[in-house]
Amino acid sequence: GNSVTQMEGPVTLSEEAFLTINCTYTATGYPSLFWYVQYPGEGLQLLLKATKADDKGSNKGFEATYRKETTSFHLEKGSVQVSDSAVYFCALSGSGSGSEKLVFGKGTKLTVNP
Amino acid sequence: DSGVTQTPKHLITATGQRVTLRCSPRSGDLSVYWYQQSLDQGLQFLIQYYNGEERAKGNILERFSAQQFPDLHSELNLSSLELGDSALYFCASNTEGIYGYTFGSGTRLTVV
Repeated sequence: GNSVTQMEGPVTLSEEAFLTINCTYTATGYPSLFWYVQYPGEGLQLLLKATKADDKGSNKGFEATYRKETTSFHLEKGSVQVSDSAVYFCALSGSGSGSEKLVFGKGTKLTVNP
Repeated sequence: DSGVTQTPKHLITATGQRVTLRCSPRSGDLSVYWYQQSLDQGLQFLIQYYNGEERAKGNILERFSAQQFPDLHSELNLSSLELGDSALYFCASNTEGIYGYTFGSGTRLTVV
């Protein structure tokens, strides 16, 4: 079945550091890929998405590129802020009608220190 | 406000009891998904409903059941509760073919 593997956390960075959170997936066909963010005490918010190979999703300075050849969707940000401290989840939905369930990675906790 | 409404936000109940969690999807969304988030298991898919019909089932225990009503809101029923059922329960909705899943803020269930 479909699965997502994220780098183990937690990740601790200083403000303005470069962030990479690795995500690889296993899926048949052409899944859609997502990054969700969960701030402390809150629900999941969609950060960015990509629906086909070579698509780049971007939002709030975060970027991720759908790489089918390496089955990866790594999250990057050039300069993190304290407010980016949260748990980040990589997820995929199977190819098909667009209403397949989301399969999540285990999450990576990011802490950004001033 | 994401547009997906979950009630209640918090629930504390005793072992052996039964609770009902409610989810109203974003306007126009036909699919509702239920997820359980616990520290040891991460985000686990429980069940999906599409326009009133069960579409997919994941790691949902037999003690748990769900349904989606004609107005598209959904309820997750958890019975014979155990300490291990303590978790955050999220629902999400989406519009078929437009690859976006919107999550509610969750219901935190504590079983004591």
